[in-house]
Amino acid sequence: QSALTQPASVSGSPGQSITISCTGISSDVGAQRYVSWYQQHPGKAPKLIIYDVTNRPSGVSNRFSGSKSGNTASLTISGLQAQDEADYHCRSYTSINTLVFGGGTKLTVL
Amino acid sequence: DVQLVESGGGLIQPGESLRLSCAASEFTFSTYALSWVRQAPGKGLEWVSGISGNGGSTYYADSVRGRFFISRDNSENTLYLQMNNLGPEDTAVYFCAKSPGDYNHYYFDHWGQGTPVTFSS
Repeated sequence: QSALTQPASVSGSPGQSITISCTGISSDVGAQRYVSWYQQHPGKAPKLIIYDVTNRPSGVSNRFSGSKSGNTASLTISGLQAQDEADYHCRSYTSINTLVFGGGTKLTVL
Repeated sequence: DVQLVESGGGLIQPGESLRLSCAASEFTFSTYALSWVRQAPGKGLEWVSGISGNGGSTYYADSVRGRFFISRDNSENTLYLQMNNLGPEDTAVYFCAKSPGDYNHYYFDHWGQGTPVTFSS
């Protein structure tokens, strides 16, 4: 059950777009449509922003989008805003009925 | 609104046990899968354990299997995590998280605020 691989940090200027990758293996990210993404501000609980690879919960900005290719899922944030600065975590279901998170990515808005 | 409130965290010594609780409200507790997720200081999230709505199916991460035990009391709307033989690697904030259905693969649509477990040497 190795953690999914995410970049430790990404950055962008307001208005720009950034993409965070989440790489797993064929038995987790590669095999499943059950990839979700969570936003976490310091000292707060995580918040769901993408589920089932591409779906956005009600109330989440359409600036957030998800995709997947092979063993890598991606989160794209367009039109960066200051309030997007946070940690982002991906999560996948695995073929042995467990769940696995990525190591988390710190987004800095310059 | 859905509420999940964790409690039971605290200072731990080598080999000690601790039981965490997560009190839930504002949803039909017994029809949803629940999980425990932890976050060590400065680290990412780690899924620890999950349980089905009726408690009949339980799932564990390799790092805690055999030491941690998840359970739920649907009459009290409470989720539990019994943690035994604790060590420094278990220091973390422990969150309970709700799925939108009764399957372990579902995403987490609601989270509690967490309860800290800190190893004391």
